[in-house]
Amino acid sequence: GENVEQHPSTLSVQEGDSAVIKCTYSDSASNYFPWYKQELGKRPQLIIDIRSNVGEKKDQRIAVTLNKTAKHFSLHITETQPEDSAVYFCAAITNAGKSTFGDGTTLTVKP
Amino acid sequence: GAVVSQHPSWVICKSGTSVKIECRSLDFQATTMFWYRQFPKQSLMLMATSNEGSKATYEQGVEKDKFLINHASLTLSTLTVTSAHPEDSSFYICSAIRDPPGGEQYFGPGTRLTVT
Repeated sequence: GENVEQHPSTLSVQEGDSAVIKCTYSDSASNYFPWYKQELGKRPQLIIDIRSNVGEKKDQRIAVTLNKTAKHFSLHITETQPEDSAVYFCAAITNAGKSTFGDGTTLTVKP
Repeated sequence: GAVVSQHPSWVICKSGTSVKIECRSLDFQATTMFWYRQFPKQSLMLMATSNEGSKATYEQGVEKDKFLINHASLTLSTLTVTSAHPEDSSFYICSAIRDPPGGEQYFGPGTRLTVT
């Protein structure tokens, strides 16, 4: 089955700095890669996603890159703010919709 | 935006009893829904894939006789934890994929189950 590895497990940055979280996947059948932000006690919220026919996608301060050959994708957050502090999960999803999640990255943005 | 609801949001039950959790897509149809389990400070672990009109597909290690899933309609899936034990205490989250299959996935708010 699919195996998704996510790094780092914790990340602490100063407000205004950039944060990068990386994920690798193993199943070439995965073709959809969403990123979720989960605040304590709340449901995961989709923040950005990318499909396998695209190499990069940007939405304001958030961007995602995908290297399908190497089977890795990354989340980039620029100009971080304290409200960006949360746990971020990557996921690899197949055509059938089956999701495999990374273990999560706890991001702390220090004011 | 698309909304997925779960009911109840939290439940406390005694060991040996059964608990049913509902997952509803409120403004879209979902042939496929998923049930996850999340322990504190851990990732979401996929338990099973729920397909409307057919049997659920369970992940390895998940007991299908203990976690009964019924996808009765295109907007409702239920998870019943039978003969609950304290180790079943967890945060259960469902998600629904907007039809047609392959669409975006939306998560429910989760149900916190505590078994005493």
